[in-house]
Amino acid sequence: EAQVTQNPRYLITVTGKKLTVTCSQNMNHEYMSWYRQDPGLGLRQIYYSMNVEVTDKGDVPEGYKVSRKEKRNFPLILESPSPNQTSLYFCASSNRVMEPQHFGDGTRLSIL
Amino acid sequence: ELKVEQNPLFLSMQEGKNYTIYCDYSTTSDRLYWYRQDPGKSLESLFVLLSNGAVKQEGRLMASLDTKARLSTLHITAAVHDLSATYFCAGASGTASKLTFGTGTRLQVTL
Repeated sequence: EAQVTQNPRYLITVTGKKLTVTCSQNMNHEYMSWYRQDPGLGLRQIYYSMNVEVTDKGDVPEGYKVSRKEKRNFPLILESPSPNQTSLYFCASSNRVMEPQHFGDGTRLSIL
Repeated sequence: ELKVEQNPLFLSMQEGKNYTIYCDYSTTSDRLYWYRQDPGKSLESLFVLLSNGAVKQEGRLMASLDTKARLSTLHITAAVHDLSATYFCAGASGTASKLTFGTGTRLQVTL
């Protein structure tokens, strides 16, 4: 089954404790992206990747890092999480940048 | 920088009625997407519109794109309760890789 898998689905942690949210897709897609969703703000793009070793900033990249060492994986790293990064995060992928994206089920992060 | 605005933000409509959600964008966007999100769920792609005048239809939903007016619409015909969800439009320019979403329209269909 074609899917985008995110882990964990839920995480409560404390300020400053590094965390990684993993994202994996099994569709051999080139384009992958991370979004955060906050009430009243819709989805905002954090980072995206056009292909292996090619990443670029979205609209809200501050406080986040990403890497794309393999085509299927695109982890989101919070080196020193802060409470304003409490949000619902979605990973998405598509075969090409112009095609509609497939979204993962989301990761709800709470930073205390 | 592309900005995308949707209205209304919230729409309560009766079953059987027709209504339209509007998506305005600020600069050139020749790709426009519509997504649906059910409460507590992920986003599901509905339509992608790639050219001026493009119209796509699926069931009771029809989306259109007017690049000259910088406007896309999502028209709902004879609404049913199953259409209750939040609908997002998103735009991108040319080969741009950044996708900009609107804030969403929460649709509630009542009996």
